[in-house]
Amino acid sequence: EDQVTQSPEALRLQEGESSSLNCSYTVSGLRGLFWYRQDPGKGPEFLFTLYSAGEEKEKERLKATLTKKESFLHITAPKPEDSATYLCAVRTGGGADGLTFGKGTHLIIQP
Amino acid sequence: DAGVTQSPTHLIKTRGQQVTLRCSPKSGHDTVSWYQQALGQGPQFIFQYYEEEERQRGNFPDRFSGHQFPNYSSELNVNALLLGDSALYLCASSLWGAGGDTQYFGPGTRLTVL
Repeated sequence: EDQVTQSPEALRLQEGESSSLNCSYTVSGLRGLFWYRQDPGKGPEFLFTLYSAGEEKEKERLKATLTKKESFLHITAPKPEDSATYLCAVRTGGGADGLTFGKGTHLIIQP
Repeated sequence: DAGVTQSPTHLIKTRGQQVTLRCSPKSGHDTVSWYQQALGQGPQFIFQYYEEEERQRGNFPDRFSGHQFPNYSSELNVNALLLGDSALYLCASSLWGAGGDTQYFGPGTRLTVL
């Protein structure tokens, strides 16, 4: 059974204090790892897709990396507007299959 | 470019009732997936529709059923509602086939069962 574990569950940072969120996975045949951002009461907003170990993607203050067992979402010099829940998900089948999500990391950036 | 839309935004039902939720996919997308998200949890996959057929199903009972229309829009039906069905129901759209696997989510429908 595919499993996705995110840590920490919650993280509180000061504005400008860089950190990393972790997503570890146990799957049979990874076909894609996805990062989403979710604001309270809203749908997840797509951030990145990673396909193979060693791949990296960046967007503004966020950078996602992938190894054979885990992915990291690095946040550099965060701002209060980066406060949200960050979700990691994996796709393991052929075609456009359902995603398996972790429980998310609730990130709070204090001014 | 219109994104994924869902209706209604909020819904309150009582135990035993039936509910229908609706989703219109992002322009150009042909595949719709439905997810249930309980408070404090990640979304859980219910099922996926492509070419008006259910293509894959998660670990949900038969009380959960769906439909996809020729214009790619979709409905999620839940019968015999239980208190535990209270959740945010999310619809995601994508393009079937290689290269189109990123799923884009709608704003969700908040269902409360009393």
